[in-house]
Amino acid sequence: SQTIHQWPATLVQPVGSPLSLECTVEGTSNPNLYWYRQAAGRGLQLLFYSVGIGQISSEVPQNLSASRPQDRQFILSSKKLLLSDSGFYLCAWNAVAYEQYFGPGTRLTVT
Amino acid sequence: DQQVKQNSPSLSVQEGRISILNCDYTNSMFDYFLWYKKYPAEGPTFLISISSIKDKNEDGRFTVFLNKSAKHLSLHIVPSQPGDSAVYFCAASGLAGTASKLTFGTGTRLQVTL
Repeated sequence: SQTIHQWPATLVQPVGSPLSLECTVEGTSNPNLYWYRQAAGRGLQLLFYSVGIGQISSEVPQNLSASRPQDRQFILSSKKLLLSDSGFYLCAWNAVAYEQYFGPGTRLTVT
Repeated sequence: DQQVKQNSPSLSVQEGRISILNCDYTNSMFDYFLWYKKYPAEGPTFLISISSIKDKNEDGRFTVFLNKSAKHLSLHIVPSQPGDSAVYFCAASGLAGTASKLTFGTGTRLQVTL
C-alpha cells in the first residue's frame, strides 16, 4: 500500500530564516505530487504540483519554491520566511485518478 | 475569486439524524468533485467523489449529490455518528496535463451531538 510522509511535524522559525519541508511517498512510482497550504480559518490553497522529476508548476507567486530531486520526493523551500508564511502545509499525491491522498502535514509558525 | 464556496462554517446535528453539507461552485469547467474529512492537526482524508456526468454517488452512510445546472453539490451522512465530527471540505477538479488541480472550499465544521 502507498504511504506518504512529511517532516517535520511542527516547526517554529524566525522571520527571515530559510525553510525546507520534505515529503516522500512510498509504494508507488511516478506519482503526481502537490503542496498545499491551509492558513488559519481558510481552505486549502494549492501552491505547487509536479508530474515528474524536475517538473514543477507554481500556482501562487510568493517567496516559496518547490523541487522534486527524486521520483517520490517533493521539497518545499524558502530563502527568507515572512510572517504570512505561517500555516499548515500539506503534501499530497495521486496517480491516474482525480483523488489526492494527503500526508499528515507540517505546522509552521513564523515568529 | 472564490470558485468553490461552503457558506456554512459550522453545523450541529444529533446522533442518528441526517447531516447535510452544502457546496457551491462557479467554474463550469470543473468536471470532478470530491469531499474530504479533516481532523485537527491531520491531513484531509478522502471520503467520496462524483463525476460531472453523474448526479448521485453513494458509499455506505455517505451520499454525494450533484446539481450541475445549479452548480451545487451536497454531502449527506445518514445516520450521523459522533465520530463524524470533523471539518468537511468540498473540492473541485480541473485537469492540468496529467495532474488534477483541486480547488477547495473553506470547510464546514460538523458537530454530531449525543
